[in-house]
Amino acid sequence: NAGVMQNPRHLVRRRGQEARLRCSPMKGHSHVYWYRQLPEEGLKFMVYLQKENIIDESGMPKERFSAEFPKEGPSILRIQQVVRGDSAAYFCASSPTGYPGYTFGSGTRLTVV
Amino acid sequence: GIQVEQSPPDLILQEGANSTLRCNFSDSVNNLQWFHQNPWGQLINLFYIPSGTKQNGRLSATTVATERYSLLYISSSQTTDSGVYFCAVGGGANNLFFGTGTRLTVIP
Repeated sequence: NAGVMQNPRHLVRRRGQEARLRCSPMKGHSHVYWYRQLPEEGLKFMVYLQKENIIDESGMPKERFSAEFPKEGPSILRIQQVVRGDSAAYFCASSPTGYPGYTFGSGTRLTVV
Repeated sequence: GIQVEQSPPDLILQEGANSTLRCNFSDSVNNLQWFHQNPWGQLINLFYIPSGTKQNGRLSATTVATERYSLLYISSSQTTDSGVYFCAVGGGANNLFFGTGTRLTVIP
């Protein structure tokens, strides 16, 4: 049973480009969460999704950031027109219905140059 | 949001020593999890423990929800225990608030 799969592991983008981060939850998990970790800091919640629904996006910046979890395929975190301040590790976690314990993926390390 | 304070911020141990990490939080919670982030950045869930005590090998955790704190015990530490230990709390599963972590270094 594969864990939470995130890709790419490392992503380099120039300022102004778009970044697309992918997350496939564990088999049987229907809840997906995205967190961001700035260097030397703890993780900060961004968004919580279930299939085809955004449940809580209270941690998402109002502009340039969006997330989806379609009926088929992975969850996508999309950052448009990236800036240097977007450089961070982005982690995805999943959990099954009825159990709030998280399983995290290995993260995507985004570097904006 | 809920404030989460972890102590100590840094800890250096000789291999074989025991340690206690503390997590204080500012509000009632019904979700508390401990994570280990290894030197490669991977986050491992150690415990889901909103209350009570759990043990897993050399690790154990206790949460006293009424007093708003949790403790993580590491016994007979090994170099592979090095990394950052995070406590994360929440009112539900949706939105966990993370502390800034305890950075543990175990030296041989």
